[in-house]
Amino acid sequence: QSALAQPASVSGSPGQSITISCTGTNNDVGDYNFVSWYQQHPGKAPKLMISDVTHRPSGISNRFSGSKSGNTASLTISGLQAEDEADYYCCSYTTNGNFWVFGGGTKLTVL
Amino acid sequence: QVQLQESGPGLVKASQTLSLTCAVSGGSISSGTDFWNWIRQRPGKTLEWIGYIYSGGNTYYNPSLRSRLTMSLDTSKNQFSLDLTSVTAADTAVYYCARWRGGGTWDFDSWGQGTLVTVSS
Repeated sequence: QSALAQPASVSGSPGQSITISCTGTNNDVGDYNFVSWYQQHPGKAPKLMISDVTHRPSGISNRFSGSKSGNTASLTISGLQAEDEADYYCCSYTTNGNFWVFGGGTKLTVL
Repeated sequence: QVQLQESGPGLVKASQTLSLTCAVSGGSISSGTDFWNWIRQRPGKTLEWIGYIYSGGNTYYNPSLRSRLTMSLDTSKNQFSLDLTSVTAADTAVYYCARWRGGGTWDFDSWGQGTLVTVSS
């Protein structure tokens, strides 16, 4: 099971918006609206930021939003803040026998 | 808010068994529709789902690890455990426990802090 494809890194300046893509297949992202996004600061546990493609859990800033088109899901962070600098992982339900597949991770740098 | 905390030896010799425990607080592991998962992150790699145990005791494992994996519940201590046999250097990773609430959702809403396990030769 190959990981979902994410860019290795993205960057933006404070106040700007960035988008992280996550590309899968019809066995996962394309056919199911079960994409979630996790933020991970160094040495910390992943934190759920988006579930079911677009849903923001309670307590998550509305600067974070999710979307999907075809086999590609996206996470957009608007009004970038220094605290957003972290690694971001997408995750999807998959029919390939192991239920979940994660993306390779994207390192966000706030310039 | 449920909290999870992993524990176990940080160093395991190759060919031996890796055993980890996840203590759950703020909720019962034997109630509701919660599934208790293990997820690992090998050095420089992405996250890999290992398996889950349901509050009723049923398990489902990643097919790539199934032959070496056992998960169990200890309801008296409100914790669940993982045993991974015949470990190699490829099993060196940070191991996380996490909750999946089921019920139509497919995300992990609560995670432990993670515990680093190194397999030595």
